[in-house]
Amino acid sequence: DTGVSQNPRHKITKRGQNVTFRCDPISEHNRLYWYRQTLGQGPEFLTYFQNEAQLEKSRLLSDRFSAERPKGSFSTLEIQRTEQGDSAMYLCASSIGTGGGVNTEAFFGQGTRLTVV
Amino acid sequence: GQQVMQIPQYQHVQEGEDFTTYCNSSTTLSNIQWYKQRPGGHPVFLIQLVKSGEVKKQKRLTFQFGEAKKNSSLHITATQTTDVGTYFCDSGTYKYIFGTGTRLKVLA
Repeated sequence: DTGVSQNPRHKITKRGQNVTFRCDPISEHNRLYWYRQTLGQGPEFLTYFQNEAQLEKSRLLSDRFSAERPKGSFSTLEIQRTEQGDSAMYLCASSIGTGGGVNTEAFFGQGTRLTVV
Repeated sequence: GQQVMQIPQYQHVQEGEDFTTYCNSSTTLSNIQWYKQRPGGHPVFLIQLVKSGEVKKQKRLTFQFGEAKKNSSLHITATQTTDVGTYFCDSGTYKYIFGTGTRLKVLA
């Protein structure tokens, strides 16, 4: 399977615990994105990497959230001290960034559904 | 960043009826992309429109990009139950900004 892979698919955690999600993008894709999606809403942009560099982070993202892409391949998203409001689907996407003004298509993973109890 | 508004937010149609969703921007877009998300699934790319006035077809789906490159539409002819899902447009910038989408329900 050469698509975007996310692990775990589901995570239930107690409030206050830390969680970490992993995303393996399509191998030749240099751009990687994290999104959060709640019921009835569109995917909300969280952060974006080009290779190993984190180029943008949403202002909506609190300091409890951190993402890394250490070798420009897989990425992790960590949420510290989880709150019930963090319950959502966390989606990862990857694409080929051409550097020009026209974007290429994004390929999404199946997502990690987080439930904070 | 460039924001796009999508209407309607919800649409229920009888199977066999047509369906259209519209995407509008206050600024000129370099391109627009459309995605479909099935219930419980993840967004899947449908198409990208780049040229002013461009029209592209995929079987029963017709996509249009406005002459001013500020709006776009997706039209589905003779909907089927497999068309159920949420259709998102993206303003084609580097970080894929999605609106709330149009949720389509097809009644058999």
